[in-house]
Amino acid sequence: QVQLVQSGTEVKKPGASVKVSCKASGYTFTNYDVNWVRQATGQGLEWMGWMNSNSGNTGYAQKFQGRVTMTRDTSINTAYMELSSLRSEDTAVYYCTRNPSESGDFDFWGQGTLVTVSS
Amino acid sequence: QAVLTQPSSLSASPGASASLTCTLRSGINVGTYWIYWYQQKSGSPPQYLLKYKSDSDKRQGSGVPSRFSGSKDASANAGILLISGLQSEDEADYYCMIWYSSAWVFGGGTKLTVL
Repeated sequence: QVQLVQSGTEVKKPGASVKVSCKASGYTFTNYDVNWVRQATGQGLEWMGWMNSNSGNTGYAQKFQGRVTMTRDTSINTAYMELSSLRSEDTAVYYCTRNPSESGDFDFWGQGTLVTVSS
Repeated sequence: QAVLTQPSSLSASPGASASLTCTLRSGINVGTYWIYWYQQKSGSPPQYLLKYKSDSDKRQGSGVPSRFSGSKDASANAGILLISGLQSEDEADYYCMIWYSSAWVFGGGTKLTVL
């Protein structure tokens, strides 16, 4: 069965970076894009960017340009999202999700990773 | 003005129908967009429900009951998620989404209460 399993809770200080992993199983990893979506407590969903798992091509939301990097390791079917220059407003649950390229069918989601930014 | 606007909350009774709207900003024509709908229950990741562009271009998510359907109201420039035969388990947050200006954009979400 398809699964996206994310890394665990992170606590970071302002100015630091965080790297969240998303390990895929149950399907051919390179046949789907990976997107990252975050959600602050009590708030809505916010799209951060996409990555083509085959080519490694990426596209980022304008808000995160220059601060976010999405990568993958196809040998272990894992996608990564690194966010730098963290501030308190980045405290949120971060989700990875898969979709066919150029489609918004985010049909499977990771369980979410809580990132807390606090001094 | 936000790209997608959803009412923050909606209440309906069990067995009734609920119509959740997703209004596109003026100047963005709903007719040309796929509208995606997601359901999120408390403490869980979102789940894909369906996508709708027209009556001949739509797709239901795997395992999603036919009680959930999509449509558009061109006069209101809005996408609509219709949930019929409401059940208590339908109580959740619902988000619409479109691909706009090279980005996936979510609406602010509607909290549906079934009581």
